[in-house]
Amino acid sequence: GNSVTQMEGPVTLSEEAFLTINCTYTATGYPSLFWYVQYPGEGLQLLLKATKADDKGSNKGFEATYRKETTSFHLEKGSVQVSDSAVYFCALSDRNAGNMLTFGGGTRLMVKP
Amino acid sequence: ETGVTQSPTHLIKTRGQQVTLRCSSQSGHNTVSWYQQALGQGPQFIFQYYREEENGRGNFPPRFSGLQFPNYSSELNVNALELDDSALYLCASSSPGTNNEQFFGPGTRLTVL
Repeated sequence: GNSVTQMEGPVTLSEEAFLTINCTYTATGYPSLFWYVQYPGEGLQLLLKATKADDKGSNKGFEATYRKETTSFHLEKGSVQVSDSAVYFCALSDRNAGNMLTFGGGTRLMVKP
Repeated sequence: ETGVTQSPTHLIKTRGQQVTLRCSSQSGHNTVSWYQQALGQGPQFIFQYYREEENGRGNFPPRFSGLQFPNYSSELNVNALELDDSALYLCASSSPGTNNEQFFGPGTRLTVL
């Protein structure tokens, strides 16, 4: 079956530091890959996505590249802000599985001023 | 354009009771998916409804059931509540016209005592 593994948190960084959150996946088909962000007390917001190998998703300074050869979709940001503090979820959807989302366990990011 | 809404925001029930959670999909979306997010974990897929029919189900027992109405709103029903059912329940709507990208509501926090 499909699965997503992401690095455990919390990840604590100082403002303007470089961020990497690792994500790897297992899928039987050709999935689409997503990063969602969850702020305290809120639902999930789509941060970025990539639908095929070598695609790069980007939004609000965050980037992730779909690497089929390493089955990875690592999230990066060059300079984090305090407002980026949240929980980040890597996820995949597989057209062969009805487009349901399979999520990783989440990584909490804490950015200190 | 109205986003995905869920009600109630919070709910407290006791073991053995039954609960109904409600979701209104985003305008133009005909597919609703439900997810359970236990504290500190990633969301887990419960089931999906498309045009009033169940269109996929995750690894949840039959006491989790749902409905979708002609206006594409949806209900999640849970019978014989157990303590482990305490979680944030997320609803997401989508449509083939949006490449099935799922848009999440804010969730319903269910506490079972």
